[in-house]
Amino acid sequence: AQSVTQLGSHVSVSEGALVLLRCNYSSSVPPYLFWYVQYPNQGLQLLLKYTTGATLVKGINGFEAEFKKSETSFHLTKPSAHMSDAAEYFCATTSGGSNYKLTFGKGTLLTVNP
Amino acid sequence: SAVISQKPSRDICQRGTSLTIQCQVDSQVTMMFWYRQQPGQSLTLIATANQGSEATYESGFVIDKFPISRPNLTFSTLTVSNMSPEDSSIYLCSFRGLENIQYFGAGTRLSVL
Repeated sequence: AQSVTQLGSHVSVSEGALVLLRCNYSSSVPPYLFWYVQYPNQGLQLLLKYTTGATLVKGINGFEAEFKKSETSFHLTKPSAHMSDAAEYFCATTSGGSNYKLTFGKGTLLTVNP
Repeated sequence: SAVISQKPSRDICQRGTSLTIQCQVDSQVTMMFWYRQQPGQSLTLIATANQGSEATYESGFVIDKFPISRPNLTFSTLTVSNMSPEDSSIYLCSFRGLENIQYFGAGTRLSVL
């Protein structure tokens, strides 16, 4: 069974600083990995995904994540935080194929200070 | 990608009553899902809804409490029955797109008094 661990339930950065949100996964088969963002009072929006191929994936709003199999990690980064990045971020995984069920991490709340 | 809309966006209900949440996709999709997000928590899958068959419920969720309909390939409803304050949550629907990507509605914010 898949599982996802997000380290840090709350991350606070200054505007313009590097954003790093951590996600580690556990899977017995090659995983599909996703980052979703939830802005206040909104649903989930897909930021980026890794399925196969290039391990560095770029998403919307300047975010990117790198799949590192040796570290079982899929950390989310952005070089320079913007106030509008303040939101809840969820890492999720599925094993793909006929296993369509998403397993979510507990989420990381990102606050951006002026 | 397809657009998914959900209503109501929020509601305040009395205990013991029921609320039906609607989810509409603007194209035909095979699999739709219903999730619950309790305050300060992550998403928990309630059930998977395929058109033409009974919904498949996850452990801890039962049809009597959360009946689901899937009358066609673009629409689904979730009913939260005999509500109690513990049912206060955000309820989200989603559908499965290509590469197992799930696309989510904006959610229904439910408060039970």
